[in-house]
Amino acid sequence: EPEVTQTPSHQVTQMGQEVILRCVPISNHLYFYWYRQILGQKVEFLVSFYNNEISEKSEIFDDQFSVERPDGSNFTLKIRSTKLEDSAMYFCASSDGVERKQYFGPGTRLTVT
Amino acid sequence: AQSVTQLGSHVSVSEGALVLLRCNYSSSVPPYLFWYVQYPNQGLQLLLKYTSAATLVKGINGFEAEFKKSETSFHLTKPSAHMSDAAEYFCAVSDHTGGFKTIFGAGTRLFVKA
Repeated sequence: EPEVTQTPSHQVTQMGQEVILRCVPISNHLYFYWYRQILGQKVEFLVSFYNNEISEKSEIFDDQFSVERPDGSNFTLKIRSTKLEDSAMYFCASSDGVERKQYFGPGTRLTVT
Repeated sequence: AQSVTQLGSHVSVSEGALVLLRCNYSSSVPPYLFWYVQYPNQGLQLLLKYTSAATLVKGINGFEAEFKKSETSFHLTKPSAHMSDAAEYFCAVSDHTGGFKTIFGAGTRLFVKA
């Protein structure tokens, strides 16, 4: 079965640094998402992306965050100036829109020190 | 706005006993509902989904869930717990607006005692 992949699996960065989290969605999917899960908490929606633009974003997704689909296969999440509270597991997901089923990647654990 | 509420942040059962994880939803339109499982330090795996076909949905690993509109519930059950079922379980609903994001419940951690 096709899978969503994410790199790196773990990223450690210093406060104030920029990070880019990478995702390769399933190839024929049209909808792309980023979610985050702070340790011990529930999974929270960050942003959805369709037709090369953001379709919805949460209040968490402020000006420090951006998403891009640079080459038709990758889907990236950039955090411009990381804060300690950005430490979390970040999940990418994709969907073909059928039955609203989303396929989740294994996640990138971001640790900001 | 759509939402899901999971009753009980922790549930403990003995191996071989019935597993019942509770989820109630709030939605102004017919919902798309999901249960996901997360094993320690791993990603999210879809257990099953409800998409307005049969009200009793069978999933992987022997789990099933029943959609009850009158009770706005979508509880997850398994007749006989196995040690390997110990994990975090999330109930979720697909938002019907915008980009169809998934809205997750707070999660229920299942402990299985030998």
